[in-house]
Amino acid sequence: GAVVSQHPSRVICKSGTSVKIECRSLDFQATTMFWYRQFPKQSLMLMATSNEGSKATYEQGVEKDKFLINHASLTLSTLTVTSAHPEDSSFYICSARVGFYNEQFFGPGTRLTVL
Amino acid sequence: GENVEQHPSTLSVQEGDSAVIKCTYSDSASNYFPWYKQELGKRPQLIIDIRSNVGEKKDQRIAVTLNKTAKHFSLHITETQPEDSAVYFCAASRDGSSNTGKLIFGQGTTLQVKP
Repeated sequence: GAVVSQHPSRVICKSGTSVKIECRSLDFQATTMFWYRQFPKQSLMLMATSNEGSKATYEQGVEKDKFLINHASLTLSTLTVTSAHPEDSSFYICSARVGFYNEQFFGPGTRLTVL
Repeated sequence: GENVEQHPSTLSVQEGDSAVIKCTYSDSASNYFPWYKQELGKRPQLIIDIRSNVGEKKDQRIAVTLNKTAKHFSLHITETQPEDSAVYFCAASRDGSSNTGKLIFGQGTTLQVKP
């Protein structure tokens, strides 16, 4: 199946700093990528849909100025958590849509801990 | 808005027994229904999916059924094994190039298979 990588896998940062997470499709081109957040023992919550070459579409309640998404190429999308606070600590997972159909393949996730 | 309800939240079965997880969706335009398995701290893995033009799909010990009229779909795992223990998520989306393909996830079911 399609391979999606994510970097870093784990990051610890101080409150107030910004953190960038990369999501790459390794063996295919992804016109659409998705960013999710998952708190412990909870489901995946869609944060935004990232389309190559255009602005991301954010879900209701997600602050676009806090969670900056850039999808500059067909294989790379980035999520930047700006001015991170302890409540932003979570598991962030990206996924990439393959082709015409809605099959999505997920990255391994990034564990963010804000101190 | 779109919503997917998943039940039960936890399920414990003896090895060799069957397990059934049920989901209902609200968006009547949904036509793609994947199921994911997620082990602790890891990415969701697609285990089976079904599209609205079929009522049932089977892959070895795993099967999914879809009732479009009632807007619900179910995951059936037969002859369960301890390695089936994980969190299972259902999801629904609108397929096709004209749709974003965003997945709406259910709340998840923690399956425990006792040896």
